[in-house]
Amino acid sequence: DTEVTQTPKHLVMGMTNKKSLKCEQHMGHRAMYWYKQKAKKPPELMFVYSYEKLSINESVPSRFSPECPNSSLLNLHLHALQPEDSALYLCASSQDFHNEQFFGPGTRLTVL
Amino acid sequence: GQQVMQIPQYQHVQEGEDFTTYCNSSTTLSNIQWYKQRPGGHPVFLIQLVKSGEVKKQKRLTFQFGEAKKNSSLHITATQTTDVGTYFCAGPGANAGKSTFGDGTTLTVKP
Repeated sequence: DTEVTQTPKHLVMGMTNKKSLKCEQHMGHRAMYWYKQKAKKPPELMFVYSYEKLSINESVPSRFSPECPNSSLLNLHLHALQPEDSALYLCASSQDFHNEQFFGPGTRLTVL
Repeated sequence: GQQVMQIPQYQHVQEGEDFTTYCNSSTTLSNIQWYKQRPGGHPVFLIQLVKSGEVKKQKRLTFQFGEAKKNSSLHITATQTTDVGTYFCAGPGANAGKSTFGDGTTLTVKP
């Protein structure tokens, strides 16, 4: 299995909602990432987990809360988001920090 | 902080023409990766270059890493409509685990 899966594919939420994005990989990768991508822009790193521990937090607002329940799963909990948070949220994994990243198909999030 | 710049931002070619995108870093890179993102899709890894002056080929795609390991290029020979997409270079950041992506070059191919 060489793919990263993400659910849901699309999500529309209000500014008072709480929702979660999910990511899963079964390649035995030890590094997992959350990226935010706006239209016509490169992926922007949000969080990095290494061996299930948060390694990097790129000064992301607290309304985004990552969680790594085990080595295969990565969640991103969303609460009180703003319309400007609407974007494509990409999950990725890699064997370690120096290897290529495998991206999931992303969750397209719209905040109303 | 480290910056990775990519040019051009957009490139429109006629099918069969060649295409090149260039990536330049403000600092020396230990490696550089290239990704392709089709319209509506997600980034897909193409290749990683590690050695100074390295050249790698994948069919019609040729990747180069500069001697000083501060620049890289991707050249596509005889473009096809399947080459359409945005090509990103990415270099490792100051912190382990952080990759800095270039702004990407979006290629459109007219049949």
